[in-house]
Amino acid sequence: NAGVTQTPKFRILKIGQSMTLQCTQDMNHNYMYWYRQDPGMGLKLIYYSVGAGITDKGEVPNGYNVSRSTTEDFPLRLELAAPSQTSVYFCASSPPRGRISTDTQYFGPGTRLTVL
Amino acid sequence: GENVEQHPSTLSVQEGDSAVIKCTYSDSASNYFPWYKQELGKRPQLIIDIRSNVGEKKDQRIAVTLNKTAKHFSLHITETQPEDSAVYFCAASSSGGSNYKLTFGKGTLLTVNP
Repeated sequence: NAGVTQTPKFRILKIGQSMTLQCTQDMNHNYMYWYRQDPGMGLKLIYYSVGAGITDKGEVPNGYNVSRSTTEDFPLRLELAAPSQTSVYFCASSPPRGRISTDTQYFGPGTRLTVL
Repeated sequence: GENVEQHPSTLSVQEGDSAVIKCTYSDSASNYFPWYKQELGKRPQLIIDIRSNVGEKKDQRIAVTLNKTAKHFSLHITETQPEDSAVYFCAASSSGGSNYKLTFGKGTLLTVNP
């Protein structure tokens, strides 16, 4: 298994541009999450999904959108990028409830985004 | 919602010494407490976790203790090595109801000096 993969690894955007951060997992995990990590800070939840077609806001959803059309993919969309969205973005997934290691989240390698 | 406080924010120890990082949580319904290690420029990786039905769990040089009454849990690293240098995050979540989310502490930068 490749686990959780993210693309791109790095991206520089200009203010007002839009982009989609891709996240894919091949572990058949129901739950997927998007976090942002600012320098020297912890992880803040942006959006999460408990299964295909179901998404919900986390702690810092403003300026972002998500969709979950398949179990494997959970893209994060940035509309009208702002300097405050400069951060490292991590996608994570966890197995469905009732299985061993429920709640354990497995992280992707991250996308480093700079908005200038 | 859940709130997780983590202390200290930085910790410097000599190689071979022990390191302890402490976290407190606010939601008494939380019952799963993982610890993640994040090396510079890398993704967070789970190193150990504990569920509320046990008070302590050990894996080689790493142990986690949980005090549900006081709502705090701690990470203990013994015989520290330079490769233990990283940022460590604690987190808490509830397995019940509709809460599928982890709430993270702000992290502890551990430096192990050779």
